[in-house]
Amino acid sequence: AQSVAQPEDQVNVAEGNPLTVKCTYSVSGNPYLFWYVQYPNRGLQFLLKYITGDNLVKGSYGFEAEFNKSQTSFHLKKPSALVSDSALYFCAVRDLRTGANNLFFGTGTRLTVIP
Amino acid sequence: DAGVTQSPTHLIKTRGQQVTLRCSPKSGHDTVSWYQQALGQGPQFIFQYYEEEERQRGNFPDRFSGHQFPNYSSELNVNALLLGDSALYLCASSLRDIFTTTDTQYFGPGTRLTVL
Repeated sequence: AQSVAQPEDQVNVAEGNPLTVKCTYSVSGNPYLFWYVQYPNRGLQFLLKYITGDNLVKGSYGFEAEFNKSQTSFHLKKPSALVSDSALYFCAVRDLRTGANNLFFGTGTRLTVIP
Repeated sequence: DAGVTQSPTHLIKTRGQQVTLRCSPKSGHDTVSWYQQALGQGPQFIFQYYEEEERQRGNFPDRFSGHQFPNYSSELNVNALLLGDSALYLCASSLRDIFTTTDTQYFGPGTRLTVL
């Protein structure tokens, strides 16, 4: 079975400070991990993904994520937060071993960047 | 380059009615997946269509059905609506990679369905 946990419902950070949004996953095989962002009344926008290779993945809008196999984590990071980064962030996983294409999503973390 | 589009944007129905939601995939994509996002939750996979066939299905009842057309667009049909079907319905498209299955899904803006 596959699952994703986002332990924090809400993250607040001051503008200009680094931000981290946490994600841990559980899959039987090799994980294929994603981060998506959702703005109010909008669909999900793709930020980045990890399949294999370097554990640090760079994505859109200055975001990056660090894959840690031993901790089964895939935390989203940004060196300097912007007010416009305030949104709902979702981590998702696919199990490459099963060949299934559907994504399993976490419950989301609401990021608020305080001016 | 047009992204994923969905129609309508909003829809209000009453219990027991039927609804059809529509999705046009991103240009060049051939696979369409549908997700249900209840308020305060992450999206949950309903089913996926490729080559006009349902290829994979999540844990949703048969009241949820779909179709994919030759131009890759898709419809989601829900019969006998329940109050619990109220949600944001998201369509995602991708270009199927039959060798590595590492395609990335791109989402549309969603259709907000309210069942009264």
